[in-house]
Amino acid sequence: NAGVTQTPKFQVLKTGQSMTLQCAQDMNHEYMSWYRQDPGMGLRLIHYSVGAGITDQGEVPNGYNVSRSTTEDFPLRLLSAAPSQTSVYFCASSRGARNEQFFGPGTRLTVL
Amino acid sequence: GQQLNQSPQSMFIQEGEDVSMNCTSSSIFNTWLWYKQDPGEGPVLLIALYKAGELTSNGRLTAQFGITRKDSFLNISASIPSDVGIYFCAGFTSGTYKYIFGTGTRLKVLA
Repeated sequence: NAGVTQTPKFQVLKTGQSMTLQCAQDMNHEYMSWYRQDPGMGLRLIHYSVGAGITDQGEVPNGYNVSRSTTEDFPLRLLSAAPSQTSVYFCASSRGARNEQFFGPGTRLTVL
Repeated sequence: GQQLNQSPQSMFIQEGEDVSMNCTSSSIFNTWLWYKQDPGEGPVLLIALYKAGELTSNGRLTAQFGITRKDSFLNISASIPSDVGIYFCAGFTSGTYKYIFGTGTRLKVLA
């Protein structure tokens, strides 16, 4: 099993550009989530999904969209990138909301 | 909103020493997870705790779910250089469908 995979590993955007961060898991997990990690602030939840077709907002959802059309994939879309979205983004998955979450390797995003 | 206070924020220790860190909250949690993150990597699960009072070990690591359900502790015995990294706690409350993460304890081991 590859576990949780994320692409790209690094990305540089200009303010106002849009892009999609990809996340996939091959463990047949129902629950998937996106976090952002900023220095000194730990991991903050952006959006999560309890199953295909179901998504909800986390702590910091503004400026981000998600969809979950399949169990395996959970892409995160930045609609109009802003410098405040410069961060490291992690995707995670688990069997259920309460179960142990497994993290991907992260995407390092810089918005100029 | 719910918050987790993790302490200490950082610590330098000598190789071979034991390490203790903790997470506290004003809220009650049903599950505690402890993760370690190496530079440039995603967090890796160390220990999961599901019951108040539970004590669980993973090699040199031992974690406890506080009996008040508002705190958790992680101990590392006989630290080695590869223990360097950031340790995160995460707490889950039933019905919320999400984990809250602490801000991390940065551990540096002096050989």
